[in-house]
Amino acid sequence: NAGVTQTPKFQVLKTGQSMTLQCAQDMNHEYMSWYRQDPGMGLRLIHYSVGAGITDQGEVPNGYNVSRSTTEDFPLRLLSAAPSQTSVYFCASSYSMGTAFTDTQYFGPGTRLTVL
Amino acid sequence: AQSVTQLDSQVPVFEEAPVELRCNYSSSVSVYLFWYVQYPNQGLQLLLKYLSGSTLVKGINGFEAEFNKSQTSFHLRKPSVHISDTAEYFCAVMGRRELVFGKGTKLTVNP
Repeated sequence: NAGVTQTPKFQVLKTGQSMTLQCAQDMNHEYMSWYRQDPGMGLRLIHYSVGAGITDQGEVPNGYNVSRSTTEDFPLRLLSAAPSQTSVYFCASSYSMGTAFTDTQYFGPGTRLTVL
Repeated sequence: AQSVTQLDSQVPVFEEAPVELRCNYSSSVSVYLFWYVQYPNQGLQLLLKYLSGSTLVKGINGFEAEFNKSQTSFHLRKPSVHISDTAEYFCAVMGRRELVFGKGTKLTVNP
């Protein structure tokens, strides 16, 4: 298994540009999520999905869109990049997020994004 | 709402010394707690988790943590650290549908 893969690893954008961060997992996990990591802030949840066709907002969703058309893929779209979106983005997946969360979340290697 | 406070942002120690990384949590529902480790330029990986049962939880790489309900704490310990333990450590608590992370503790192990 490749686990959770993310592309690209690095990206530089200009303010106002759009782009999509890709995330894929081959573990047949129902639950997938996107976090951003900023120095001294820990990880903050952007969006998550509990299954194909179902997405919801996390703590910091503004400026980001997601969709979940397949179990394997969960892309994150930046509609109009801003310097405040400069961050490291992590995708994670787990088997489920049912009534009792017992499943380990598996993280991808991250995408380092700089917005000029 | 769930929240996590990691009491130290940086912890420097010498190799072979013991270490404790402190974590306090707040939760209004059943408590499920986690410690993740992030090595430089990598993603996060699970060290250990507390779901129920014994309050002393053993994880990978010789780490362990103790769940203390009365003090709402979940401190991470290792009796003797190695240079390779240098990393950032995150405590997390389960929310309604997400993990809520603390801000992290950077552990630096010096020779």
